[in-house]
Order: sequence, then structure tokens, then C-alpha cells
Amino acid sequence: RKEVEQDPGPFNVPEGATVAFNCTYSNSASQSFFWYRQDCRKEPKLLMSVYSSGNEDGRFTAQLNRASQYISLLIRDSKLSDSATYLCVVNPPGTYKYIFGTGTRLKVLA
Amino acid sequence: EAGVAQSPRYKIIEKRQSVAFWCNPISGHATLYWYQQILGQGPKLLIQFQNNGVVDDSQLPKDRFSAERLKGVDSTLKIQPAKLEDSAVYLCASSRLAGGSRTDTQYFGPGTRLTVL
Repeated sequence: RKEVEQDPGPFNVPEGATVAFNCTYSNSASQSFFWYRQDCRKEPKLLMSVYSSGNEDGRFTAQLNRASQYISLLIRDSKLSDSATYLCVVNPPGTYKYIFGTGTRLKVLA
Repeated sequence: EAGVAQSPRYKIIEKRQSVAFWCNPISGHATLYWYQQILGQGPKLLIQFQNNGVVDDSQLPKDRFSAERLKGVDSTLKIQPAKLEDSAVYLCASSRLAGGSRTDTQYFGPGTRLTVL
């Protein structure tokens, strides 16, 4: 089983739609979780960290489900500019490194 | 604040040739990371430095890849000799702290796109 798994998509959604992605992780003791955004042929950029209680930043909501070992990202009122690949990132316990998932590609259609 | 700088941006070489990439992290950042990103995949950590010491190089193919971070600032990543499967984007990132923490953000450079023919 991979350490971090994501559905590669693409998820094609109309403008204004709500879309959600999940990411599963294999090590139940993992503590730090993140969502990064990567535009085509660009570098990844931090979108948001994921807190145990869940957290929201504008139209974006991240949640952690420890029992089922997954994190989620919800995007409300999708914009064309949200089209990108969303990378799930996990810090394995006892390490200082980050493991990236393969990314989920989102296309928001006009 | 200046971002992470990388050069060159693009490189095309023949297999069995050598190539080197350079990275200058954000000033004051303790940790520097080199990632390999193959098309359609997420970044894979090759090596992680904290100051000028190696924290993790478990996925670095040491028979052909080498990296150093002189004086805890700039870093170079070298491939010698290159193989076709090394074609990828090589991303450098830096973070202020040791890495792994929820509050420690990684900042990425624009990457070097390597094509091995």
C-alpha cells in the first residue's frame, strides 16, 4: 500500500459547483497533513495545512478523519482559476520529511 | 522576500552524460529539499538537508546522483551518468524550520526540466 494515495482524476466540474477530494494515508501515527496546489508546469504551493478539528479558508475546507485515515479538501463555488492539480502531503511520524501523493487534477468548466 | 532560485530552467542531454542543477534557498531557511517529479506523479523526495547536514537521502540513487549543500546555503544536485528514466522536473524547496511540522511551510523553486535523450 502506498504511503499516500489520491484519485488522479480528472474531476471535471462546472463553475459554481462544489467538489471534494479525498486522500488516504497508510501510517496511522502521521501527525501533519497539507494540501498543495500545482498549476500546469509550475511549482507546488501550499494551499492549507489540515488541522485535527478541520479548518476553512474562504471557499476551501480541509478535514482530517483519523479513524479512516484520510484527509479531504472541499472547494465550494468553484472558479475557473481553481483548475489545477491538488497534492496531498503527509509527514510520516518520527521524520522531518514530507510524502506527496500523485495529485488530483481538477478542471473547472465554463 | 526573494523566493527559491534554481538554474538552469531547462536542460537537454544525451544518456550517459552528466548534469548539475543549482539551488539557492530563501535566506535564513535551515532546511533544503530536492525532489524529482516525473510527469503525472507527485514530487518524490531525493534528499533533505538541515543546514549542511543530510537528514534523509533514502530515495537518492547514490550510484549516479549526488548532492551537497556547502556552508548550509546553496546546493547542487548532480547526475552522473544520466539515464533515460531521469527525465523529470527537479524541484528544490526550502523551509525555515527542520521540516515535518504543520507550521513549517515549504517554498518551492520553479524547477529544472531535464530531458535525457
